[in-house]
Amino acid sequence: EAGVAQSPRYKIIEKRQSVAFWCNPISGHATLYWYQQILGQGPKLLIQFQNNGVVDDSQLPKDRFSAERLKGVDSTLKIQPAKLEDSAVYLCASSSRGQGPTGSSLQFFGPGTRLTVL
Amino acid sequence: AQSVAQPEDQVNVAEGNPLTVKCTYSVSGNPYLFWYVQYPNRGLQFLLKYITGDNLVKGSYGFEAEFNKSQTSFHLKKPSALVSDSALYFCAVRDIDVNSGYSTLTFGKGTMLLVSP
Repeated sequence: EAGVAQSPRYKIIEKRQSVAFWCNPISGHATLYWYQQILGQGPKLLIQFQNNGVVDDSQLPKDRFSAERLKGVDSTLKIQPAKLEDSAVYLCASSSRGQGPTGSSLQFFGPGTRLTVL
Repeated sequence: AQSVAQPEDQVNVAEGNPLTVKCTYSVSGNPYLFWYVQYPNRGLQFLLKYITGDNLVKGSYGFEAEFNKSQTSFHLKKPSALVSDSALYFCAVRDIDVNSGYSTLTFGKGTMLLVSP
């Protein structure tokens, strides 16, 4: 089966500009995640979707970050305006089952988008 | 909240030698633990998981991990390292939101494994 697709792979922008990332999850996966991975750190969850609804966006800086999941499939993550500290790799992941105490939460990750803010 | 700690930033091992990458966890309730590997310019790849059962879990590429409840550890191991194993390794724990019931993963900061020829 095809994996999680992300684009672009690399993006360089200047601070205060806006940028958008796209993710296409594995077909049939109801749960989609966006992570931010800053150099030297582990991935940090930004937002989690179940189908087209948000179930956790507690760590999303909502003053500048936004995300949507169109029709419960593809998703876009936007930053407007970008700051220097937003330089990171943005990872998208999907899983077939994200809820419930018995779910194994096995997530499949895309290759990521490396954002550099100058 | 659940958390994992990876005490080593980097582990160096010679090819053919056994390797261990350490992870300790802090959870309330039963731990669901994972190891992922990240190669340069690639996304994270699943290696193995512990949910319940045998304390020794076998995963991809010859890796295994030992769950130790008394020491709250879940160390990643391989009997004989390969140069191609050089990568960034992440330990993760499942966290369940008590309000929504949805689960997420909390990752450690990662350990760089360098295997020399």
